[in-house]
Amino acid sequence: SQTIHQWPATLVQPVGSPLSLECTVEGTSNPNLYWYRQAAGRGLQLLFYSVGIGQISSEVPQNLSASRPQDRQFILSSKKLLLSDSGFYLCAWSVDPGTEAFFGQGTRLTVV
Amino acid sequence: EDQVTQSPEALRLQEGESSSLNCSYTVSGLRGLFWYRQDPGKGPEFLFTLYSAGEEKEKERLKATLTKKESFLHITAPKPEDSATYLCASGNTGKLIFGQGTTLQVKP
Repeated sequence: SQTIHQWPATLVQPVGSPLSLECTVEGTSNPNLYWYRQAAGRGLQLLFYSVGIGQISSEVPQNLSASRPQDRQFILSSKKLLLSDSGFYLCAWSVDPGTEAFFGQGTRLTVV
Repeated sequence: EDQVTQSPEALRLQEGESSSLNCSYTVSGLRGLFWYRQDPGKGPEFLFTLYSAGEEKEKERLKATLTKKESFLHITAPKPEDSATYLCASGNTGKLIFGQGTTLQVKP
């Protein structure tokens, strides 16, 4: 069966520090991968999605970036965090674009 | 512009009091309408996919239905363990678009 791993679960980082969040999927090949952010009490905002290695689509212009160095690995990065980057970050995968997605357990990021 | 809107934002029910959650969508190239359950501090858990108007799916006390412009999540005789945020999402050719969610609280 397929599983998705996301880490760390919680992270507290100072303003201006770099960020790297990692997500890996097991049990499937060539998944579509997504990064979402969820502000408190809000819905999910799509940040990036990828249909293949090295293929990244950005939905929201900001100081975050994403990379997909391997088929089942998706990384969310920032060179310098802002206070507004605080939130709950979720990685997800799907078989095909626009079909049901399956989520990791999320990373709670607090920028102080 | 593709959009998904959920109502109400919050719903409080007594145990056993049935109700429905609404999800309205305007999406071009719809590939499916999805329902998720999210517990506090956790990632969303997939519940249902609906593909065409008139389709229904059931799981325990939950039943999801779909029309051409809306989907409903019916909760029959809810229990306190059904308390969670319920999210709906529409899929188009490239991605999922989520609504803001309905937070359900079921009191014993």
